[in-house]
Amino acid sequence: GENVEQHPSTLSVQEGDSAVIKCTYSDSASNYFPWYKQELGKGPQLIIDIRSNVGEKKDQRIAVTLNKTAKHFSLHITETQPEDSAVYFCAASSKGFQKLVFGTGTRLLVSP
Amino acid sequence: DVKVTQSSRYLVKRTGEKVFLECVQDMDHENMFWYRQDPGLGLRLIYFSYDVKMKEKGDIPEGYSVSREKKERFSLILESASTNQTSMYLCASPPANKVGTEAFFGQGTRLTVV
Repeated sequence: GENVEQHPSTLSVQEGDSAVIKCTYSDSASNYFPWYKQELGKGPQLIIDIRSNVGEKKDQRIAVTLNKTAKHFSLHITETQPEDSAVYFCAASSKGFQKLVFGTGTRLLVSP
Repeated sequence: DVKVTQSSRYLVKRTGEKVFLECVQDMDHENMFWYRQDPGLGLRLIYFSYDVKMKEKGDIPEGYSVSREKKERFSLILESASTNQTSMYLCASPPANKVGTEAFFGQGTRLTVV
């Protein structure tokens, strides 16, 4: 089955810096790659996703890139702000949400 | 604006107790999921349901069962709670058959078994 690895487990940056979180997946059939943000005391919330027919997707300060050949995808956050501090999860699926396999999470801390 | 509600934020139960975790969604979705979240392990799927009275095992179903008597409610049951079931439990509900559509999560239930 699918296996998703996520790095780093913790990431500390200064406000205004960029942050990059990387994930690798094992199943070449995976075609959907969402990223979730979990703030303290809340459930995960989808922030951006990408499908396998696209190499990059941007939404304001957030971007995701996908390299299908290398089987890895990354989340890029530019001009980080303290409210970006949260745990971020990547995930991969080949057959919809019920086959979604999550990474182990990255705790991002943005210091003012 | 509430979409997925879990009945308890925090629970403390004793070893051997039968524990019910409740999840309700107001989006009329067929699909509902139960995950547990542990540090360093991410989210792992316990059970899911794609219709009333239907259920399927996820990756870690041992020690758990589920009930889906009504479309809006999906219950996770720990038949005899054990300390290794101390965890954060998350319920999610995505629309059916729509890859790429957001699944809404509840706020989580932090269960401690003593």
